Amino acid sequence: KAGVTQTPRYLIKTRGQQVTLSCSPISGHRSVSWYQQTPGQGLQFLFEYFSETQRNKGNFPGRFSGRQFSNSRSEMNVSTLELGDSALYLCASSLSAGGVPITQYFGPGTRLTVL
Amino acid sequence: GQQLNQSPQSMFIQEGEDVSMNCTSSSIFNTWLWYKQDPGEGPVLLIALYKAGELTSNGRLTAQFGITRKDSFLNISASIPSDVGIYFCAGFQNTGTASKLTFGTGTRLQVTL
Repeated sequence: KAGVTQTPRYLIKTRGQQVTLSCSPISGHRSVSWYQQTPGQGLQFLFEYFSETQRNKGNFPGRFSGRQFSNSRSEMNVSTLELGDSALYLCASSLSAGGVPITQYFGPGTRLTVL
Repeated sequence: GQQLNQSPQSMFIQEGEDVSMNCTSSSIFNTWLWYKQDPGEGPVLLIALYKAGELTSNGRLTAQFGITRKDSFLNISASIPSDVGIYFCAGFQNTGTASKLTFGTGTRLQVTL
């Protein structure tokens, strides 16, 4: 079956702009988590959605937001982009939320560059 | 945000050699996981460890959950070129009201022929 899909794969924006990234989970998976990956900070948890509700949130400013639709697809939005937001944004889907993520699969990520 | 300390940061080894890497934390975790990330891809789960002292293998990979629950180790035996990539440890905590996966800083492995 198809894996986790993220669009777009690459994106270039300028400071002050906003951006929306999309994630389509594996069919049947209802939980979607988002991570930011940078060389300096590594993989940092952003938030998790399950059944259209945010279940868990990491320590990121309010400029980072997300949502999940009834078909489990998820979007994350970053407003007022800063240079430090340049990163690989990874989405991961799993069957359920809260348990050990052994059924969690990551997408290939969206590479965001902020100029 | 919190990160787990992994060492070494990077290593160059020859094909056929064994590899060891470890991960330490100031916090206790209920579960330890090890991932591998190839260029242009997201991390892929290799091994999950569920209790202190547990030793688990997956092919040439062996991982251990430290007795203190604050560390974990990964060994790769007889390395091959396709082992190249970045290896991440991750600690999982479930407090009942929230769950959290914290990743390590990563170990970049390069294998030479």
